[in-house]
Amino acid sequence: GESVGLHLPTLSVQEGDNSIINCAYSNSASDYFIWYKQESGKGPQFIIDIRSNMDKRQGQRVTVLLNKTVKHLSLQIAATQPGDSAVYFCAENGSRGYKLSFGAGTTVTVRA
Amino acid sequence: EPEVTQTPSHQVTQMGQEVILRCVPISNHLYFYWYRQILGQKVEFLVSFYNNEISEKSEIFDDQFSVERPDGSNFTLKIRSTKLEDSAMYFCASSAGPQGNQPQHFGDGTRLSIL
Repeated sequence: GESVGLHLPTLSVQEGDNSIINCAYSNSASDYFIWYKQESGKGPQFIIDIRSNMDKRQGQRVTVLLNKTVKHLSLQIAATQPGDSAVYFCAENGSRGYKLSFGAGTTVTVRA
Repeated sequence: EPEVTQTPSHQVTQMGQEVILRCVPISNHLYFYWYRQILGQKVEFLVSFYNNEISEKSEIFDDQFSVERPDGSNFTLKIRSTKLEDSAMYFCASSAGPQGNQPQHFGDGTRLSIL
């Protein structure tokens, strides 16, 4: 079946350190992955996406890594800031579907 | 930056009543979606809509649910006879292209509370 999950429900990070958030997926047909950030009282906010023909993609302060061999996805945030405190979701879509399947989320708390 | 807007932000409704949740997708987007998030749980897909018809729906999206694009800007979700278990955050999303090609962008949701 289809399942997307994150390894840890919470992550506490010192301000200025790098954060790594992990996600595992089970559908080997998945070919598109997205990371979203959700702040309290708001909807999921797009951070970065990656297609299965890539294994790394970089944005502003964020990097997504995709390991299709072990079906693992990670989001790295460089120099974590207080504004990065939020719940982070990975989501994936099967090769022909319209829907996104979300993981359970990792709550990131940045310590000053 | 263009965004998806949803109204109302909070809707309180008696069980058994009809409710309509409204969304204005990003203006040049062609694909529209509804998701829900029960408190403390994952975001769950409900339905996708393209070219004035449903393209995919989940098991949650039963006969009590319907979607409509009544004009060129709005996209609505109707729940015909609400149940207590319909209480959740409902998110609208839109994308310029199909999934796998363009990301979905979400609104800030409508909190639906069924009494």
